[in-house]
Amino acid sequence: EAGVAQSPRYKIIEKRQSVAFWCNPISGHATLYWYQQILGQGPKLLIQFQNNGVVDDSQLPKDRFSAERLKGVDSTLKIQPAKLEDSAVYLCASSLGQGWDNEQFFGPGTRLTVL
Amino acid sequence: AQRVTQPEKLLSVFKGAPVELKCNYSYSGSPELFWYVQYSRQRLQLLLRHISRESIKGFTADLNKGETSFHLKKPFAQEEDSAMYYCALSGPYAGGTSYGKLTFGQGTILTVHP
Repeated sequence: EAGVAQSPRYKIIEKRQSVAFWCNPISGHATLYWYQQILGQGPKLLIQFQNNGVVDDSQLPKDRFSAERLKGVDSTLKIQPAKLEDSAVYLCASSLGQGWDNEQFFGPGTRLTVL
Repeated sequence: AQRVTQPEKLLSVFKGAPVELKCNYSYSGSPELFWYVQYSRQRLQLLLRHISRESIKGFTADLNKGETSFHLKKPFAQEEDSAMYYCALSGPYAGGTSYGKLTFGQGTILTVHP
């Protein structure tokens, strides 16, 4: 089966600029996750969607980050304006449903560098 | 708040030697624990979950609630085991229902030398 797709794979921007990432989950997967992975750390959940509704966005810096999944399929994550500390790999994952017993499948990630 | 700690950033062993990757957690409820692996140039993927009590690629992990640990073990390491390994915990959530949110440790890079 086709895996989770993300684009772009790499992005370099200057601080205070805006950037957007796109994710296409595995077909039929209702739950979509965005993780931030800073170098040397494990992934940290930013936001979780169930279909087009937000389940958990407690760790999303809402003053600069936003995410949407309007039709319950693709999702975009936006940063506006970017800061140096936003340099990280942004991972998208999807699963059939919520709950720990639904395996999460990860995309290849988008590596963001903020100069 | 839940937390996952992997005390070793790097672990090197020789082929055929036993390997143990350590994972400790803090969590107030009954945790669901996982090991994820990322091989070079590949995606992060699930290796095993404690609830399944399975052995994958020769790896096993036992949940020790008394010591709050979930160490990953393999009796005879192979070169193809070289990768980044993450321990992760799922929970807690409103009303005790897990919504699948994973909390990851910092990861351990395992290198198996020939």
